[in-house]
Amino acid sequence: GENVEQHPSTLSVQEGDSAVIKCTYSDSASNYFPWYKQELGKGPQLIIDIRSNVGEKKDQRIAVTLNKTAKHFSLHITETQPEDSAVYFCAASMRTYKYIFGTGTRLKVLA
Amino acid sequence: NAGVTQTPKFQVLKTGQSMTLQCAQDMNHEYMSWYRQDPGMGLRLIHYSVGAGITDQGEVPNGYNVSRSTTEDFPLRLLSAAPSQTSVYFCASSYSSGAEAFFGQGTRLTVV
Repeated sequence: GENVEQHPSTLSVQEGDSAVIKCTYSDSASNYFPWYKQELGKGPQLIIDIRSNVGEKKDQRIAVTLNKTAKHFSLHITETQPEDSAVYFCAASMRTYKYIFGTGTRLKVLA
Repeated sequence: NAGVTQTPKFQVLKTGQSMTLQCAQDMNHEYMSWYRQDPGMGLRLIHYSVGAGITDQGEVPNGYNVSRSTTEDFPLRLLSAAPSQTSVYFCASSYSSGAEAFFGQGTRLTVV
């Protein structure tokens, strides 16, 4: 069945360093790949997304890359700041509304 | 514009009790869904709806019922609560498939 694997489960970086979170999906029909950030006690919020016809997308310090052949996509955060500390989820979706989420990465940015 | 509103924020139930988690959105979104979040397991889809009067099952539908009588509301019903349903529940809505999903603040449910 559909599956999204996310690694690592926890990640600690020094402030100013880069952070990379990787996801692999199983269904080659998936065509939409959002990334969500969840702060403590809140619901997830979209931070960036990418569609299958694009290989890379960037928004200020955040970028996402997609390799359709290998069926994996990654989130890159540069110049990390303490406010980047949160849980990050990747997801994959086909043309239906069924998002399949990864298991989450807890990012800690150390000041 | 409140977005997606969930009530209650916290709830404790005894095994066998029933209750309804409420979800309302004011963005005129056709797509609404319910997820549960458990430690180490991410967000798992319980039920979803693509419009008023239309619902379907997600990954983990057992023990839950939904209905969608209006575009705005999508309540989740637990008919007979079990300890395995202890979780944080999120409602989400989206303008269309393959579009940003807006999440509510969540309901933390404990079944004892």
